[in-house]
Amino acid sequence: DGGITQSPKYLFRKEGQNVTLSCEQNLNHDAMYWYRQDPGQGLRLIYYSQIVNDFQKGDIAEGYSVSREKKESFPLTVTSAQKNPTAFYLCASNPQVTYNEQFFGPGTRLTVL
Amino acid sequence: QQQVKQSPQSLIVQKGGISIINCAYENTAFDYFPWYQQFPGKGPALLIAIRPDVSEKKEGRFTISFNKSAKQFSLHIMDSQPGDSATYFCARRTDCAGNKLTFGGGTRVLVKP
Repeated sequence: DGGITQSPKYLFRKEGQNVTLSCEQNLNHDAMYWYRQDPGQGLRLIYYSQIVNDFQKGDIAEGYSVSREKKESFPLTVTSAQKNPTAFYLCASNPQVTYNEQFFGPGTRLTVL
Repeated sequence: QQQVKQSPQSLIVQKGGISIINCAYENTAFDYFPWYQQFPGKGPALLIAIRPDVSEKKEGRFTISFNKSAKQFSLHIMDSQPGDSATYFCARRTDCAGNKLTFGGGTRVLVKP
């Protein structure tokens, strides 16, 4: 089945630790995105990538880093510089076609202890 | 930053009633307005979308209306069902080269049986 997978579903980390969230898609989509969702709030864009080996900062990139070495993979690292990392993280992708929808993964809930 | 203001934050409707969610946006550069539905603990999924060449689009019990002069668009859920209980996000496209979206803050809808 085609789709987007995110792992793990739940993640716990101690303060001061970096952690990497996985996002893989087998939809052959060019563009991939990372969003952060806080309770009762909308989705805020962290980083996005429209092509392999290229990515751009979104609205809240501070404290995060990404890589795009393969078309199907777009991992997000939450660094210790992110002051309030506890949130629900969503990965999405879409083909580079005008007016095409973004497909979302199931999300990873990160909790900092 | 392109803004999308969504209201209300939450609403409760009786089964069979009409749910109405409104969104207002700034600028009219890139007009593609999708609506996403999200169930608790899941990633959002595209519900319905409207493009700038139409003022209304209907898919089953869901209707989007678009008022370009007022820079507003809204979602109507007719004959609301308990299974419609979810969080709804409006969004707009914010770049011409790809499909980068800016999301509203979300509306939590509860349909009482």
